[in-house]
Amino acid sequence: ETGVTQSPTHLIKTRGQQVTLRCSSQSGHNTVSWYQQALGQGPQFIFQYYREEENGRGNFPPRFSGLQFPNYSSELNVNALELDDSALYLCASSSSFGTSGIYGKTQYFGPGTRLLVL
Amino acid sequence: AQKITQTQPGMFMQEKEAVTLDCTYDTSDPSYGLFWYKQPSSGEMIFLIYQGSYDQQNATEGRYSLNFQKARKSANLVISASQLGDSAMYFCAMENFGNEKLTFGTGTRLTIIP
Repeated sequence: ETGVTQSPTHLIKTRGQQVTLRCSSQSGHNTVSWYQQALGQGPQFIFQYYREEENGRGNFPPRFSGLQFPNYSSELNVNALELDDSALYLCASSSSFGTSGIYGKTQYFGPGTRLLVL
Repeated sequence: AQKITQTQPGMFMQEKEAVTLDCTYDTSDPSYGLFWYKQPSSGEMIFLIYQGSYDQQNATEGRYSLNFQKARKSANLVISASQLGDSAMYFCAMENFGNEKLTFGTGTRLTIIP
């Protein structure tokens, strides 16, 4: 079983640029969630995608957008980068198939992408 | 709104001792799940254990157990026989059923000393 993968692992951008982060979900998972983790803090929910539709969004501005593809992989796009966007971006996948047991909905995380905005 | 509070920013424990990491939560929803994740310095969040709000028994997974006290809204993680490899950040998180957004606490940095 393949786990959650993310690319790239590290990225350096300058203020005002745009960035795209990628995530491949764990085999059998149809839901992808994105989180932002600033240094020294817990992860903050950005948004979630289920069956290629946005299924919930946290308190992030519209310049944070995403996509989910038919194979359930996902992209996070951030436009007009700001210095405060520097963080670890975590992708998590889960399965919403069936209703038996909570383990079907446990979110499994990838290794993250470290973004530095200069 | 959900809220998770972890009051121990850092802990140092001797190897082979039992460790208790504190977590309290706040939610008005009666249906929720509580999770603990481990985050080594590499950054990946590793799922450890889950407790549902309607579960009658405390969850256990190998050396990990969750001390769930619903009336006190606490969900402490207990690690038995700690090992050097347990040194990491530990996050408590919750979700309300039907809303898969995880709300995380600020974490506890655990350091195991030989």
